[in-house]
Parts: sequence; C-alpha cells; structure tokens
Amino acid sequence: SQTIHQWPATLVQPVGSPLSLECTVEGTSNPNLYWYRQAAGRGLQLLFYSVGIGQISSEVPQNLSASRPQDRQFILSSKKLLLSDSGFYLCAWSVGLGGYTFGSGTRLTVV
Amino acid sequence: EDQVTQSPEALRLQEGESSSLNCSYTVSGLRGLFWYRQDPGKGPEFLFTLYSAGEEKEKERLKATLTKKESFLHITAPKPEDSATYLCAPRFSGGGADGLTFGKGTHLIIQP
Repeated sequence: SQTIHQWPATLVQPVGSPLSLECTVEGTSNPNLYWYRQAAGRGLQLLFYSVGIGQISSEVPQNLSASRPQDRQFILSSKKLLLSDSGFYLCAWSVGLGGYTFGSGTRLTVV
Repeated sequence: EDQVTQSPEALRLQEGESSSLNCSYTVSGLRGLFWYRQDPGKGPEFLFTLYSAGEEKEKERLKATLTKKESFLHITAPKPEDSATYLCAPRFSGGGADGLTFGKGTHLIIQP
C-alpha cells in the first residue's frame, strides 16, 4: 500500500535560519509531488509541484525552494526564514488524474 | 476571482441535525471533484471522488452529489466525531499536474 512520510511534525526556527522539510512516498512509482502551505484561517496554497526527478514548478514567488533528488523524495528548503513563512506545510502525492494523498503536515513557527 | 467557493464558511449543528455543505465552481471543463476531511493539526483525508453530473457517493453518514456547477456534501444525523473542516477540490481540464483547486473549506462543529 502507498504511504507518505513527512517530518518533522513541528518545528520552531528563528528568523534568518535555514529550513529543510522532507517528504517521502512509498508504494508507488513516478508520483506527482506537491508542497502546500496552510495559514491560519486560510485555504491550501500550492507552493511547488513536481512531475519527475529534478522537475520543479513554482506557483508563487517566495522565500522558499523545492527539490526532488529522487523519484519519491521531495524537499522544501529556505536559506533564510522570514516570520511570514510560519504556517502548516503539507506534502502530497498523486498519480495520473487521481486525487491527492496528503502527509500529516509540519507546523512551522518562525520566531 | 475565486474559482471554487465553499459555503457556509462555518456551521454549527446539534447532534442528529442533518444539513448540507456546498461547493460551487465557475470554471468549465470539470475532470473530477474531490472531497476531503481535515482534522485540526492533520493533513486532509480523502473522502470521495465524483466525475459526472448526477453521480452520488456515500460513506457512513456522508453523501456527496454533483451537478454541472456545484457539489453538495450531505450529512445525515451527524455525530460529534464528524466535526472537522471539509474541503472540496475540483480538477479542471488543462490543469495538468497542479490541477486540483481547493476551496477554503467549511468548518463543521457537531455539538452533543
């Protein structure tokens, strides 16, 4: 069966520090991978998506970047965090025109 | 302009009080509509997929229906454990890999 792992679950980081969130998928090959952010009281905002290794599409200009070094690994990074980067980050995967399966999320607080 | 609108934004019901949540969309060329449930501090959990007008799906106390321009999530005799935020996400033609457009959700509270 397919599973998605996302870590860490919570993170508190000072302004200006780097960030690395990792997501891995098991039980499927060549998935589409996504990073979303969900701010308090707001909807899901698509940040990045990837259709294959090394292929990254960005939806909004921001302080973040994404990489896909392996077929089932998706990483969200920042060189210097801003207060506005705080939020709930979700990784998801899909295959074809199916729905998305989400990870459990990372609560990031930038202080 | 929002392509997907969910209403109401919040809904408080008594246990056993049935109601419906609405998801309407303005872009044509629907290629599937997905419903999710999200509990606080967790990722959205898949509930249903609907592909054509007139289609219905059921799971326990939930039933999802689809017309050409909107979808409804009917909740029959809800229990407190049905409290969550319910998200809908249409997929439009030409959307590619990023094709799901999520609504902002309906925050549902079922009071015992």
